[in-house]
Amino acid sequence: GAVVSQHPSRVICKSGTSVKIECRSLDFQATTMFWYRQFPKQSLMLMATSNEGSKATYEQGVEKDKFLINHASLTLSTLTVTSAHPEDSSFYICSAATGGGSNQPQHFGDGTRLSIL
Amino acid sequence: GESVGLHLPTLSVQEGDNSIINCAYSNSASDYFIWYKQESGKGPQFIIDIRSNMDKRQGQRVTVLLNKTVKHLSLQIAATQPGDSAVYFCAENPPSWGKLQFGAGTQVVVTP
Repeated sequence: GAVVSQHPSRVICKSGTSVKIECRSLDFQATTMFWYRQFPKQSLMLMATSNEGSKATYEQGVEKDKFLINHASLTLSTLTVTSAHPEDSSFYICSAATGGGSNQPQHFGDGTRLSIL
Repeated sequence: GESVGLHLPTLSVQEGDNSIINCAYSNSASDYFIWYKQESGKGPQFIIDIRSNMDKRQGQRVTVLLNKTVKHLSLQIAATQPGDSAVYFCAENPPSWGKLQFGAGTQVVVTP
């Protein structure tokens, strides 16, 4: 159980393109989803926390107009990287939790490798 | 198992030996801890968790030890196998945060 599916697994696109990444909880309802960014050989950096039906909470330094998050249902959250540039190239990973994320494991998707040319 | 900058600490283990991965956490109020395994190109995979009212928890081939006095967490893997090669992250949950804080990670390399 607790499977999280992330799509697409890899995106290569031109600078200026907007890219949408989907995160789905397949066998449980996720009241909270998290979006992370990970650079090579580094740990996960939390970008934002989204709760179903409400606005996402962004971490300091993360531009909310650049990284649009929508959590319209208990099984789906999307991250849209708007007008992507080469510096946005990274590995983006989502996770989902059934409660508020506290004292429960987060279950992760397999990530999206984003490459901006 | 903490690192600074871009260099993950590496633990090299011979196949069949036991592995011990260490983690120093930062917040004394943290009440929940998780170990994740991340293989190359994939998302982190849940291994085992432990709450602060325990000091030891065992799973299949894995044991997590928690020492709250010195804010130290460890993961022991018994009879390490080639499939255990991955980066291992500890994560803590400070109650006031509502989100996990991840450690820097440890690269485990299993040699034949």
